[in-house]
Amino acid sequence: IVMTQSPLSLPVTPGEPASISCRSSQSLLHSNGNNYLDWFLQKPGQSPQLLIYLGSNRASGVPDRFRGSGSGTVFTLQISRVEAEDVGVYYCMQALHTPYSFGQGTKLE
Amino acid sequence: EVLLVESGGGLVQPGGSLRLSCAVADLSVYDYDMHWVRHRPGKGLEWVSCIGTAGDKYYSDSVQGRFTISREYDANSLSLHLSSLRVEDTATYYCAREGGKGDMDVWGRGTTVIVSS
Repeated sequence: IVMTQSPLSLPVTPGEPASISCRSSQSLLHSNGNNYLDWFLQKPGQSPQLLIYLGSNRASGVPDRFRGSGSGTVFTLQISRVEAEDVGVYYCMQALHTPYSFGQGTKLE
Repeated sequence: EVLLVESGGGLVQPGGSLRLSCAVADLSVYDYDMHWVRHRPGKGLEWVSCIGTAGDKYYSDSVQGRFTISREYDANSLSLHLSSLRVEDTATYYCAREGGKGDMDVWGRGTTVIVSS
């Protein structure tokens, strides 16, 4: 499954909203009703961290300014008000079928 | 607190082999699907391999036939044996736990492999 993110670079102003799009080449909707789409953030010099799982569920400890939405082949990560600590590279990843696959990454700066 | 600690990275010549380990604390590697993900310099994240709770193993096309994933019961660790290494295998390798909902919710800090002559 090919994952395509846009934009690849996203300059933002603190306090302003931001949005990242992710499209998959096949539907990520499982027969159980869940979309197997995750969002990760890799901050500079750090390991990736899970933000959103199953398309729209915030991981433990993730601020509520992060929101995941979408279904099937089109997904979006929205940040309501960007903070300085949010800089890094955001990745979507499909976890429906092996081999799992990541998008190219979106650099938020 | 669940903790994953990778080790075993280093400098190796093309064609060589290396064994990466991921020590796991506060969970059993047999109770979760466990993954290896790599980050090549200047590139994005790339899923490499996983081993399921039933022992089923999966690999990316780029490493299939060259890398082998396994679990070590006594050490409660995850391993990745890398062979026939190529320059393009140079990367930081992370192990990660999948929480059961397609969510890699715990990651190690990574270990770096450099393939160069």
